[in-house]
Amino acid sequence: RKEVEQDPGPFNVPEGATVAFNCTYSNSASQSFFWYRQDCRKEPKLLMSVYSSGNEDGRFTAQLNRASQYISLLIRDSKLSDSATYLCVVNGGDKIIFGKGTRLHILP
Amino acid sequence: GAGVSQTPSNKVTEKGKYVELRCDPISGHTALYWYRQSLGQGPEFLIYFQGTGAADDSGLPNDRFFAVRPEGSVSTLKIQRTERGDSAVYLCASSPTAVTGGRGNEQFFGPGTRLTVL
Repeated sequence: RKEVEQDPGPFNVPEGATVAFNCTYSNSASQSFFWYRQDCRKEPKLLMSVYSSGNEDGRFTAQLNRASQYISLLIRDSKLSDSATYLCVVNGGDKIIFGKGTRLHILP
Repeated sequence: GAGVSQTPSNKVTEKGKYVELRCDPISGHTALYWYRQSLGQGPEFLIYFQGTGAADDSGLPNDRFFAVRPEGSVSTLKIQRTERGDSAVYLCASSPTAVTGGRGNEQFFGPGTRLTVL
C-alpha cells in the first residue's frame, strides 16, 4: 500500500456541482493532515488543515477518519476557479508525504 | 515581497555538471524544506532544516545531493554530477516552526526552480 494514495482523476465536473476527493494513508501514527491546492505550473498552497472533528471553510469541507485512515475533501457549488490539482498531505511525525494529487476540471 | 523566493527560476545544465539552487525563506521562519516534483507527481520530500541543522535528510536520493543552511536563513541545494533523471521542479518551503508533530504549521512554498539536465 502506498504511503499516501489519492483518487487518480482527472475529475471533469460541471460548474455548480459537488465534488468529493478521497485520500488514504498507511501510517497509523500520522499526526496531521492537510489539503493543498496547486495550479498548473505554480507552487502548492494550503487550502485547509484537516482536524479530527472535521472542519468547514465556506464551500469546502474536510473530514478525517482515523479508524479507516482516510481523509476527504468536499467542494460544494463548484466554480470555474476551483480547477486545479488537489494534493493530500500527511505528516507522519517524522516526515511529510504528499499524494500524487487529483486534477479537477470544472466545466462551464 | 515577503514570500519564499527561489533562484534561478530555470536552470538548464549538461549531464555531469554541478548545480546550486537557492532558497530564501520567509523572514523569521525557522523550518525550511526542500522537495522535488516531477510531472504528474506530488512533491517528494528531500530534506528539512530546523534552524541551521538538517533535522531530516532521509529524502535525499543519493550522495550527489547535499543541502546547507549555514546561518539559519538562506539555503542552498547542491547537486553534483547531474543526471538526466534529476530533471524536475525543485520546490522550497518554509514554516514558522517545524511541521512535524502536533497539528503542524502551514508550509509556504516558493515558485520553484525548474532544472533540466540535457
